[in-house]
Amino acid sequence: QVQLVESGGGVVQPGRSLRLSCAASGFTFSIFGMHWVRQAPGKGLEWVALISYDGGAEYYADSVKGRFTISRDNSKNTLYLQMSSLRPEDTAVYYCAKDRGSHWLVRLVDYWGQGTLVTVSS
Amino acid sequence: DIQMTQSPSSLSASVGDRVTITCRASQGISNYLAWFQQKPGKAPKSLIYAASSLQSGVPSKFSGSGSGTDFTLTISSLQPEDFATYYCQQYKSYPLTFGGGTKVEIK
Repeated sequence: QVQLVESGGGVVQPGRSLRLSCAASGFTFSIFGMHWVRQAPGKGLEWVALISYDGGAEYYADSVKGRFTISRDNSKNTLYLQMSSLRPEDTAVYYCAKDRGSHWLVRLVDYWGQGTLVTVSS
Repeated sequence: DIQMTQSPSSLSASVGDRVTITCRASQGISNYLAWFQQKPGKAPKSLIYAASSLQSGVPSKFSGSGSGTDFTLTISSLQPEDFATYYCQQYKSYPLTFGGGTKVEIK
């Protein structure tokens, strides 16, 4: 069965950087696009970024463009989110999620991880 | 950006009730519409894609309909495990956008 396990969350000061990881198992990671979606405390869902199966294409929400970078290592079945210049409004649970399409992006999430909390505070 | 508006933002219903949630897109999205369920403290779960197709393993009491700008999610007979927050999302174009959510509570 599909498993997505996020790690790397924690408390970080404004302006600093943090890298999240997502370990994938139970499916052929290297042929599916992957998403990051976040949820601020008590708020709704916000899509953050999407990467194609081979890392050749990346897409971002305007709120994180230029500060966050999504990447993947298909040899390690791992997805990453490098976050820099963090702001208090980036405080959220960050979910890793699998795209439904194989070898091409459908832009549709079908499986979600359990999330990791990032708190940006001095 | 495509704005997604859900209504109502919350509702109270009883076990056995039929519940309908509406989602409206600010521009036409064909059938590129998904629905997700989220219980408190848990990750979202995918319910429906392409406006009306059930994700694998999702019970048939959930159904979706609509195309263009107006969509609905219906739960045919509400059960205790269905009390949750429901989100719609368009995946027609970037940035992918979610509705604000509809919280379904016990009456």
